[in-house]
Amino acid sequence: EAGVVQSPRYKIIEKKQPVAFWCNPISGHNTLYWYLQNLGQGPELLIRYENEEAVDDSQLPKDRFSAERLKGVDSTLKIQPAELGDSAVYLCASSSGTDSYNEQFFGPGTRLTVL
Amino acid sequence: AQKITQTQPGMFVQEKEAVTLDCTYDTSDPSYGLFWYKQPSSGEMIFLIYQGSYDQQNATEGRYSLNFQKARKSANLVISASQLGDSAMYFCAMIKAAGNKLTFGGGTRVLVKP
Repeated sequence: EAGVVQSPRYKIIEKKQPVAFWCNPISGHNTLYWYLQNLGQGPELLIRYENEEAVDDSQLPKDRFSAERLKGVDSTLKIQPAELGDSAVYLCASSSGTDSYNEQFFGPGTRLTVL
Repeated sequence: AQKITQTQPGMFVQEKEAVTLDCTYDTSDPSYGLFWYKQPSSGEMIFLIYQGSYDQQNATEGRYSLNFQKARKSANLVISASQLGDSAMYFCAMIKAAGNKLTFGGGTRVLVKP
């Protein structure tokens, strides 16, 4: 069974440019998460989806960040415009069901470098 | 608010020896779950082990065991018989019963020496 797929794996952009990350969760997983991981730190939740509904986006900087999961499967995270401080790894994860103890499976992440 | 503390930024361990990674947490919720994840240089977070706050026994998964001391709010990971492939970052994380938000600690980097 395929795991969580993310693309691109690496992205280098200049500040003020837009960027988008794509995530395909494990088939059948209705819960999808986007995490931000700064260098040397643990991941921090940006947004959580239950199917196509964003049920927790309290940590998402909405002035420049947006996300969507239109059909309740794939998801896209966008930053516009990117800032130097956005350089980090963006991790996508998915889990089955709504039980909070369901294991979250992580993708390999997208490493963003903003110059 | 939840808080996870991993006080060891980095550790060396000799191959075939055991290593203990510390994790303390702070929560007022009676129901929660504790996870350990491994993150190799490839970047992917790999689930290792889970402990529920009401579980009576310490969790074990192969060479991984969790030393859960609820009164002390600690959930240390023990890796037995370390292998070179165990070299990675290790993160402790907690989840509350309400909501699926994982809160991670700062991580511990483990380097296994041959």
